[in-house]
Amino acid sequence: NAGVTQTPKFRVLKTGQSMTLLCAQDMNHEYMYWYRQDPGMGLRLIHYSVGEGTTAKGEVPDGYNVSRLKKQNFLLGLESAAPSQTSVYFCASSYSGVAGTYYEQYFGPGTRLTVT
Amino acid sequence: RKEVEQDPGPFNVPEGATVAFNCTYSNSASQSFFWYRQDCRKEPKLLMSVYSSGNEDGRFTAQLNRASQYISLLIRDSKLSDSATYLCVVRKGYSNASKIIFGSGTRLSIQP
Repeated sequence: NAGVTQTPKFRVLKTGQSMTLLCAQDMNHEYMYWYRQDPGMGLRLIHYSVGEGTTAKGEVPDGYNVSRLKKQNFLLGLESAAPSQTSVYFCASSYSGVAGTYYEQYFGPGTRLTVT
Repeated sequence: RKEVEQDPGPFNVPEGATVAFNCTYSNSASQSFFWYRQDCRKEPKLLMSVYSSGNEDGRFTAQLNRASQYISLLIRDSKLSDSATYLCVVRKGYSNASKIIFGSGTRLSIQP
């Protein structure tokens, strides 16, 4: 049981290049999330998905796109990378569960992205 | 003003000491509260939920003060392994689709 995995772990891009970050979970979770973490800013939600084939915008969605074609995978795309997208990206997943009950978010190990 | 604010620290305390830090939140509609722990260059992991009546898990005690809109985390008999960044997390609703806000974290360093 690998939990949540992210690919790649590190990446350096030049401004204007594109890339896709892959998140995979083997816990059969309905919900998946993409966050970015910057110094002094805390984790900020980029996009999330409440189920296969559905996605929604989070707090900072500009410059990113996502897709959830399979329940276990959640992809984050950068179409034209900018230096402001230099960050650590975390994927997370959780059960949808019953309203009123909090189901822990399980995080992947992160992807460290530098855009020069 | 940030919706969730934490003292960034670092809190440098000797091993065995008791340490406490707070987190304030601005939205009185916030419903659920949690503490996550994040080790250096690692992913966050849930430490404990914070219940209205306060709750304890071993050496860790979490408290919620709705009137003053803050939550606290107390660590007793601190260990070297407690060194980490502690993230305060606030959820605005009861659904797991409700907005979740992470604080920027309080860094704790336990000194031998």
